[in-house]
Amino acid sequence: QKEVEQNSGPLSVPEGAIASLNCTYSDRGSQSFFWYRQYSGKSPELIMSIYSNGDKEDGRFTAQLNKASQYVSLLIRDSQPSDSATYLCAVKEGYSTLTFGKGTMLLVSP
Amino acid sequence: DAGVIQSPRHEVTEMGQEVTLRCKPISGHDYLFWYRQTMMRGLELLIYFNNNVPIDDSGMPEDRFSAKMPNASFSTLKIQPSEPRDSAVYFCASSAGGGGTQYFGPGTRLLVL
Repeated sequence: QKEVEQNSGPLSVPEGAIASLNCTYSDRGSQSFFWYRQYSGKSPELIMSIYSNGDKEDGRFTAQLNKASQYVSLLIRDSQPSDSATYLCAVKEGYSTLTFGKGTMLLVSP
Repeated sequence: DAGVIQSPRHEVTEMGQEVTLRCKPISGHDYLFWYRQTMMRGLELLIYFNNNVPIDDSGMPEDRFSAKMPNASFSTLKIQPSEPRDSAVYFCASSAGGGGTQYFGPGTRLLVL
């Protein structure tokens, strides 16, 4: 049974701070890693994908992957109230299906 | 493109009734996924199709659930008979290729009384 674990939160940060979201996974064969953002009452939308160990930056978002530790994280710099949402971590092995974590709720206060 | 389209957006029904959820994937996408999301279990894959053929239905909870994809632009998820524990948000997603980004529809919020 593939498992993806996330702290449910909420993670509360002030506006302008760095938000750090973490995820661990059980399947060592996982090759692709994704972060989805889901606003309340809306559908998930992909914001980052990462496939290799290290960091990947896209604007204010940085995804970090450590396959040896089976750990993936998402950093959001200069957090904005509009970043308040639930962030879902998802992993995939090869061309198999995505396995999602239950998500971490992020609250950014003005 | 209009994105993935789902209908209805909200459904309230009574236990024992048949429920049919509908999905139109993004044109040109050859993979279609049905998910269910609850607070307790998170986002779970129910079934997925490739080129209209069901590939993996191991996530379908019971025989009360069935899914079809009669053509590349339409899929249904049917629950018969429905039970209160089926109450959840059901998402349809599609992708171009198995490794492609999955794009989610707006979801159908189902409440079974």
